[in-house]
Amino acid sequence: QITLKESGPTLVKPTQTLTLTCTLSGLSLTTSGVGVVWIRQSPGKALEWLALIYWNDNKRYNPSLKSRLTITKDASRNQVVLTMTNMDPVDTATYYCAQSSPGSYYEPPWRADYWGQGTLVTVSS
Amino acid sequence: DIQMTQSPSSLSASVGDRVTITCRASQGIDTYLNWYQHKPGKAPKLLIFAASSLQSGVPSRFIGSGSGTDFTLTISSLQPEDFASYFCQQSYTNTFTFGQGTKLEL
Repeated sequence: QITLKESGPTLVKPTQTLTLTCTLSGLSLTTSGVGVVWIRQSPGKALEWLALIYWNDNKRYNPSLKSRLTITKDASRNQVVLTMTNMDPVDTATYYCAQSSPGSYYEPPWRADYWGQGTLVTVSS
Repeated sequence: DIQMTQSPSSLSASVGDRVTITCRASQGIDTYLNWYQHKPGKAPKLLIFAASSLQSGVPSRFIGSGSGTDFTLTISSLQPEDFASYFCQQSYTNTFTFGQGTKLEL
């Protein structure tokens, strides 16, 4: 069974850096074709894709947020970490991580096969 | 970015009803369209990928169709567990985008 769990602070102050961790179970980050994304949903808004990292360390970022984002992986811990700098109240959202299986990589379209339940991050002083 | 417009934003229906949700892309995306179900406090769930391919384990009452710019998700006979939110997502471009969601209510 594949599961993902997000962890990190629930409250950050404006200008601070947010660090979120996604811990995967049931599928190794070293498996060819596996990818992990971070997605967020602000209250009343559509989901927004943030960043993607593949098993081979190939990375992609949402261009509108690229300057503030860094995605990394720790294969030994089967974790993916997202950092977002210069947090603002508009970044208040539920942050999700999701995993795309090898089938998604080798046979497009890309899709998020499994998701975490999300973690609510509030940005406030 | 490709804009994804879903309609309706909310929908009231009854068990046994047939319902259809629409997703329109601002430009052609071939069949690079996925549908997800989301229940409050739960992890979103992939239902349909590539516009019409049923994800493993998803009941056959969920039917996806469309290509280019217009797509639909049809639930052929609503079951109590289907009352949830649904959203579409395109992966035609490297900047994935989502529809704003449809809340299906009893």
